[in-house]
Amino acid sequence: AQKVTQAQTEISVVEKEDVTLDCVYETRDTTYYLFWYKQPPSGELVFLIRRNSFDEQNEISGRYSWNFQKSTSSFNFTITASQVVDSAVYFCALSEEAKAAGNKLTFGGGTRVLVKP
Amino acid sequence: GAGVSQSPSNKVTEKGKDVELRCDPISGHTALYWYRQSLGQGLEFLIYFQGNSAPDKSGLPSDRFSAERTGGSVSTLTIQRTQQEDSAVYLCASSLGKGLGGLQQYFGPGTRLTVT
Repeated sequence: AQKVTQAQTEISVVEKEDVTLDCVYETRDTTYYLFWYKQPPSGELVFLIRRNSFDEQNEISGRYSWNFQKSTSSFNFTITASQVVDSAVYFCALSEEAKAAGNKLTFGGGTRVLVKP
Repeated sequence: GAGVSQSPSNKVTEKGKDVELRCDPISGHTALYWYRQSLGQGLEFLIYFQGNSAPDKSGLPSDRFSAERTGGSVSTLTIQRTQQEDSAVYLCASSLGKGLGGLQQYFGPGTRLTVT
């Protein structure tokens, strides 16, 4: 069975600080996909990134960056120079290769990020 | 274009009553998922539709929960004889289906269900 663990339940930082969110996953599949979603106070889940298990290249998108390490089964997310608008709950998720079950997502417990001005 | 919509946005019901939650996926999306977000259980998968069929119902917590999808579009999640532990936000997502295009799920705003 697949499992995603986000050990940090809440992180509080002051604006312009960097913040790193940890994500550790478990799966028996060799092909799988990892995601990060943002859930702002409005409640709607917003897709941030998807990585597949064969691509360990780190990725940077503006102030966001992701570090994928298969050796440690981790897919960590860093926000550089945080802003108040980054305050949200962030979810890491895992999807195994599409089977009869489609691409259902297994989510971690989420990390609440509070950025103070 | 229009995203995934859900109705109602909020629902308060008395314990023991039945409720229906509706999801309108993005037009052309063949895959539809229901998830539940609650304080105790986090975000959990309930059921997956491909077209009008539900190949995976493994996440439905009890036989009080059922869902259907008609015309390959609108889906309804029904909870019978609601219990207080059913209180949660019910999220719907849709995607293009299988393959790489199906990996991108688009989520609706959710229905907040409160059972009193």
